[in-house]
Amino acid sequence: GDSVTQMEGPVTLSEEAFLTINCTYTATGYPSLFWYVQYPGEGLQLLLKATKADDKGSNKGFEATYRKETTSFHLEKGSVQVSDSAVYFCALVDSGGSNYKLTFGKGTLLTVNP
Amino acid sequence: EAGVVQSPRYKIIEKKQPVAFWCNPISGHNTLYWYRQNLGQGPELLIRYENEEAVDDSQLPKDRFSAERLKGVDSTLKIQPAELGDSAVYLCASSSGTGYGYTFGSGTRLTVV
Repeated sequence: GDSVTQMEGPVTLSEEAFLTINCTYTATGYPSLFWYVQYPGEGLQLLLKATKADDKGSNKGFEATYRKETTSFHLEKGSVQVSDSAVYFCALVDSGGSNYKLTFGKGTLLTVNP
Repeated sequence: EAGVVQSPRYKIIEKKQPVAFWCNPISGHNTLYWYRQNLGQGPELLIRYENEEAVDDSQLPKDRFSAERLKGVDSTLKIQPAELGDSAVYLCASSSGTGYGYTFGSGTRLTVV
C-alpha cells in the first residue's frame, strides 16, 4: 500500500537558518504530493503541492520538488522565522484510482527560536 | 467564505459513554472526509462521503463508530461506547471532488478518561 516516511523531529533551528525536512514515499500508482502545516491549536493547512515529476511546489518561501527517480519530496526554506514553528506533514494522494484518500507521514515538529 | 466548521473543539468523556462530533463542510463541496489523528501521528482516513453516500468506510471501526451525512451536507461521527484508545483529534475535511482541494476543519480533540 501507499506510505510516506518523513524525518523524525523535533527540529530546532535559530531564526534565519536553512530548513530541510526529508520526505520519501511509496505508492502503487502515480501520486500527487503535498506538504501540510499544522500550527498550534489549528487544523491542517495546505502549504504546497506538486502533481507530476519535476514539478516544484512553492508557497511562503517554502519549496519542494517532486523527484520521481528518488521517490522524494523534501521541504526546504532558505531562512526560517519564529512564525514557521509548527508541525509539518508530507502527504500523497495516489491518483491511480478514484479514491482521493490522503496518506500522511507522521509529521515533523519544527521549533524556530529567536 | 466560511471554512469547514467542526464542533465541539474539545470533549472529555468517561469510557463507555457515547460521543458525537459534528461537521459543516464548505458550501458546494460534495466530498466529505473524517480523519483521526492520534498523538504524534499523521491523520488517517476513517470514512469518505460523496454527497450522502459513504464510498469508503473500510477504516471505520464499525462495531463502535457510525457516521451519517444527511442531505449531503452536514455530517455527524458517533462513537458508542468510547474506549480509552479513542482519545485523538477527529478532523473533518471537504473538497469539490478533484481530491486536490482539501480544506480541513480545526478538529475535535477527544479525551476519554
